[in-house]
Amino acid sequence: KQEVTQIPAALSVPEGENLVLNCSFTDSAIYNLQWFRQDPGKGLTSLLLIQSSQREQTSGRLNASLDKSSGRSTLYIAASQPGDSATYLCAVNSGYSTLTFGKGTMLLVSP
Amino acid sequence: NAGVTQTPKFQVLKTGQSMTLQCAQDMNHNSMYWYRQDPGMGLRLIYYSASEGTTDKGEVPNGYNVSRLNKREFSLRLESAAPSQTSVYFCASSEAGGGIDTQYFGPGTRLTVL
Repeated sequence: KQEVTQIPAALSVPEGENLVLNCSFTDSAIYNLQWFRQDPGKGLTSLLLIQSSQREQTSGRLNASLDKSSGRSTLYIAASQPGDSATYLCAVNSGYSTLTFGKGTMLLVSP
Repeated sequence: NAGVTQTPKFQVLKTGQSMTLQCAQDMNHNSMYWYRQDPGMGLRLIYYSASEGTTDKGEVPNGYNVSRLNKREFSLRLESAAPSQTSVYFCASSEAGGGIDTQYFGPGTRLTVL
């Protein structure tokens, strides 16, 4: 059974810092990996989707990498802003028509 | 373009009561999903519908039923609510099935069962 772990569970940084969120998964036979953002009391918003054949994806200040063989992905946020404060969720698709989610990293960026 | 909408936003039930959570999407997506989110557990899939007319069980289907009413609508029914079903319920949709593309989420329904 696929298991997804996100480290750290919570992170607090000052505005302007570059930061890295980590995601690891136990079964490397995945179709893709997605990063989502969840604001308090809200639904999830998709940030980036990396197919298994890709190594990274970029969107603005966000860059996600995937190392399928080692079962790891990182989400890099450049020049963090208070508006980046949210919970970030990693999810993997192992090809059974479902996504397996990690428990998330709660990020707080202080002004 | 409203995306994925869910009703109601909040609900309080007594043990044994029944209710239906409604979900609709206006993106002409083929696949729809129901998840629950519990503290410390992450999101878990309850049921999904890969296409109109089909439904399949996810990781935690016990105590729930679903109906894919048409391509737009996918409802989740609790026949006899239990306190263990207190959770936040999210509906999602995607253009294709199998998790191969991005899923779009609704704002959630916060359900408390007393």
